[in-house]
Amino acid sequence: TQLLEQSPQFLSIQEGENLTVYCNSSSVFSSLQWYRQEPGEGPVLLVTVVTGGEVKKLKRLTFQFGDARKDSSLHITAAQPGDTGLYLCAGSGPPGNQFYFGTGTSLTVIP
Amino acid sequence: EAGVAQSPRYKIIEKRQSVAFWCNPISGHATLYWYQQILGQGPKLLIQFQNNGVVDDSQLPKDRFSAERLKGVDSTLKIQPAKLEDSAVYLCASSLRTPENIQYFGAGTRLSVL
Repeated sequence: TQLLEQSPQFLSIQEGENLTVYCNSSSVFSSLQWYRQEPGEGPVLLVTVVTGGEVKKLKRLTFQFGDARKDSSLHITAAQPGDTGLYLCAGSGPPGNQFYFGTGTSLTVIP
Repeated sequence: EAGVAQSPRYKIIEKRQSVAFWCNPISGHATLYWYQQILGQGPKLLIQFQNNGVVDDSQLPKDRFSAERLKGVDSTLKIQPAKLEDSAVYLCASSLRTPENIQYFGAGTRLSVL
């Protein structure tokens, strides 16, 4: 069983469109991180959200942590081909505060 | 600042053979992680070291996988014997011991077991 479920699993959109990726869990997380991974590379941290209801913006990317700290979302405005990659949420959760990655969302932005 | 170094980048072996991966973390990073990432999935933590001690190895298949970090710097991950389902990318990451726990990843080793 996956502690962090992401949706959608795959997303293919045209350049300029908006999109939202979701990360859901039945468990409470003290914080959640979002990473982007490009082919042949390791994941790179985009942001960490720590407070329930927190919203963080990174240029065209908006990250939100759910009030109950069980879910998070990533919204991209006016997607560009350079946004193409695998988006992963991650956090420390039960049992034993182990670190988990989500199931991943593979995004393709078509020029 | 140099990043996390991993070698080799690619490895092809036959099932039942042995294989070892090497990781050199960012200088000064006390925490080191090994992950297994199967194609199309998120990475799965195999083992976490704090200096040269194991913090978490609950998801490491100990009958065939082993890892060590003898001097608290470099680390090796070994698989013996390999199975077909071990085909994956093996990622190493390191971090400072801070509340933010920002992990920096290497490029990974892509293992194909035939």
